Amino acid sequence: DQQVKQNSPSLSVQEGRISILNCDYTNSMFDYFLWYKKYPAEGPTFLISISSIKDKNEDGRFTVFLNKSAKHLSLHIVPSQPGDSAVYFCAAPHLLLDGKLTFGQGTILTVHP
Amino acid sequence: DTAVSQTPKYLVTQMGNDKSIKCEQNLGHDTMYWYKQDSKKFLKIMFSYNNKELIINETVPNRFSPKSPDKAHLNLHINSLELGDSAVYFCASSRTLTVNEKLFFGSGTQLSVL
Repeated sequence: DQQVKQNSPSLSVQEGRISILNCDYTNSMFDYFLWYKKYPAEGPTFLISISSIKDKNEDGRFTVFLNKSAKHLSLHIVPSQPGDSAVYFCAAPHLLLDGKLTFGQGTILTVHP
Repeated sequence: DTAVSQTPKYLVTQMGNDKSIKCEQNLGHDTMYWYKQDSKKFLKIMFSYNNKELIINETVPNRFSPKSPDKAHLNLHINSLELGDSAVYFCASSRTLTVNEKLFFGSGTQLSVL
């Protein structure tokens, strides 16, 4: 039972355009979400997070939006750059089990020059 | 200096063998983890340790035994390797065990069991 889902395995965008990566969750106990970015042969690195008390969090070119009623979050990258090409994972920590992060299966983003 | 380092990066071995993966973090974090990325690319937690104490053991076969000699190290020993153990194993650490702490990952160990 996958509680965090990224239904798009891949996304291809042109440099300078917007990239939108989506994530859905089913567990109402999740109230904090993180996005990680992973390059080949490296471990995931933290990108941005959002708490359920907010519906938007922005950090430079990266913005995460949270729609609690739809149990949906999205990561916007504007403008997209070739160096953003990576796998993006959304993740949620379990409220009652400290340290347990549930990850989506990732979306491969390719930004073309 | 690599914050979370794990060795080896690649491990190719025969079924039935016993192998270990080592992990060290120099961030001064209290909490360390092992995650497994399977063939479907899901990252799933296996174990977490906080100050050398086992916190999470996520229904992992007991052929997998983590060992934390101190809070900077968390090693993973696997007995009687099976084909299904082939995966990428990531070590990670976080400052504390609280819910919203971000994780710092090592670069992974790709295990191939033949």
